[in-house]
Amino acid sequence: AQSVTQPDIHITVSEGASLELRCNYSYGATPYLFWYVQSPGQGLQLLLKYFSGDTLVQGIKGFEAEFKRSQSSFNLRKPSVHWSDAAEYFCAVGLMEYGNKLVFGAGTILRVKS
Amino acid sequence: EPEVTQTPSHQVTQMGQEVILRCVPISNHLYFYWYRQILGQKVEFLVSFYNNEISEKSEIFDDQFSVERPDGSNFTLKIRSTKLEDSAMYFCASSAEIQPQHFGDGTRLSIL
Repeated sequence: AQSVTQPDIHITVSEGASLELRCNYSYGATPYLFWYVQSPGQGLQLLLKYFSGDTLVQGIKGFEAEFKRSQSSFNLRKPSVHWSDAAEYFCAVGLMEYGNKLVFGAGTILRVKS
Repeated sequence: EPEVTQTPSHQVTQMGQEVILRCVPISNHLYFYWYRQILGQKVEFLVSFYNNEISEKSEIFDDQFSVERPDGSNFTLKIRSTKLEDSAMYFCASSAEIQPQHFGDGTRLSIL
């Protein structure tokens, strides 16, 4: 069955430090891949997406992610974290043949310390 | 930027009562979805809807659940007889093409 694993439940980084959030997926073909961010009391905001082509994708707010087929991974990165980046981050796989549903990982809560 | 709008933001309902959650998708979008997130758990897919019919539904989406697009702008989720375990945040999403999906801020449903 399709699944998404985010191995880190919580991550704390210092403001200005670099960030990498890990995501691995289990799926038979190359899926559509997404990262969403959720601030407290808010909905899910799309950060970036990968459909095909260049495996390094740029998103909003200075985030980028790299698709690695050999590792079934789609890790999210940011070179310098800002206090406003504190939120919960969700990796998701889009399954076109299943009504385009998204399968989400459990999320990683990012804390930023000053 | 166009947004998906959900109302109400918080709904409190007695167990066994019917509840309707409302969503206004982005106006030129054709694909519509409902997800839910039980507190402390993953975001789970409930149903997808395209061309006035359900295209996919999860095991959660049993006979107590239904969706409707009653007019050109609204997309609703109805739970016929609510249970305590239906308490969750419900998210509506829409997409112009197959992906990506744009989400609303959610409706927090509390069943007493």
